[in-house]
This record gives sequence, structure tokens and C-alpha cells, in this order.
Amino acid sequence: GAVVSQHPSWVICKSGTSVKIECRSLDFQATTMFWYRQFPKQSLMLMATSNEGSKATYEQGVEKDKFLINHASLTLSTLTVTSAHPEDSSFYICSAGRTGWPYEQYFGPGTRLTVT
Amino acid sequence: GQQVMQIPQYQHVQEGEDFTTYCNSSTTLSNIQWYKQRPGGHPVFLIQLVKSGEVKKQKRLTFQFGEAKKNSSLHITATQTTDVGTYFCAGLMDNNNDMRFGAGTRLTVKP
Repeated sequence: GAVVSQHPSWVICKSGTSVKIECRSLDFQATTMFWYRQFPKQSLMLMATSNEGSKATYEQGVEKDKFLINHASLTLSTLTVTSAHPEDSSFYICSAGRTGWPYEQYFGPGTRLTVT
Repeated sequence: GQQVMQIPQYQHVQEGEDFTTYCNSSTTLSNIQWYKQRPGGHPVFLIQLVKSGEVKKQKRLTFQFGEAKKNSSLHITATQTTDVGTYFCAGLMDNNNDMRFGAGTRLTVKP
């Protein structure tokens, strides 16, 4: 089946620094990628929908200037957490969708961010 | 590595038939969540199971969490065309709190 990778799988950074997380579709082209955040023992929260070549669509309550999303190609989307703070520590997951039939969605393995 | 396996990958049923998808984890889970993704949409949270042996129902959907907290199932009784979509399980690993998704089961329903 299709594979979606995320890099890094985990990262520890200091408060105030920025962290970039990559999401790649390895064997298919993904026009749309979704970024999620998961708080401990809670369900996924959709942060934004990333469309190749256009600006991301952010969910209500998600700061677009803090969580910068770039979808520069059909196989790569990046999420940059700018000026990270400890409350940004979380598990971030991306998913990539095939365009058109059969509209399958594939999840990345996630990135655990810890901000100290 | 730690994995959550989900089967079947695809299921095509006649409207009115039942449907079940299964998830198995290689390690014990803190909880398991189920999501439904409609074609073209993003996965939407359905339910979370936490306790060993837990069973929860949402109308025609029945969710079970195994006694060992390593497997789970979603059963739909008398499917309808509105049930079409991909159903994902997501397990929260007990040892590191990382979430791992199953590959999903894509359900199609013939009217």
C-alpha cells in the first residue's frame, strides 16, 4: 500500500525556536494533505488542510502564523511550528490523500514534539 | 516497530448486510479510537474505547475493545449507503503514548 513518511519522528527543542516537520507521500501524488495534532489520550484535532500550490486552510482556533504550512509539491508538505512554547508539545500527524477515485487516505507515523 | 494492523483492506457489501472491520496491535494499547473518512473528506472521530472488554454502541455501530487491550472491532448492522467510506482505527501505545493508525478498511455499499 501507499506510504506516507514524516520526519523527524521525534524532536526536542528549546522554547522560542522553530521546528519544521516534513510529510512525504512516497509512492503517490497527494494534492491534499491534512495536518493533525493529538493531545495525550485525546482524539486527533484537525489543524489544517494543505493543498498543493495554494494556501492552507486552517481550522478555527489554529494560528496560521504560528503553524506555517507549505505544500510545495505533490509529494511534500511541511509544518513549521514557529517560536515554539512548551504548550506546543504534542504529537503531530499528517495524512495524504490520493486525488480522485478511490480517495484513499494514508497516515504518516507522526512526530512527537517536546518543547523545553 | 509497533504496529496496528487492520483488516480487511476493502469490503463491498449489499445494502442491508452487516460489516465488520478488525484491528490488532502488536503491543498493549492505552486506548483505541475509530475514525470515519467519507470519500474526499478527512477522517472524523467516531469514538474512543479505554477499558478492557469495553463495548460501545452508536445506533447501528458497535465498537469493542479486547480484554487484552490489543484488538478492537467495529461492526455495522444492516449497512446503508450512507455508511460508505474508510474506517480507521488508531491505537494509543501504552508504553510511549504514540498513536498508530491502522491502514483503514474501505467500505462500499451497493444499493
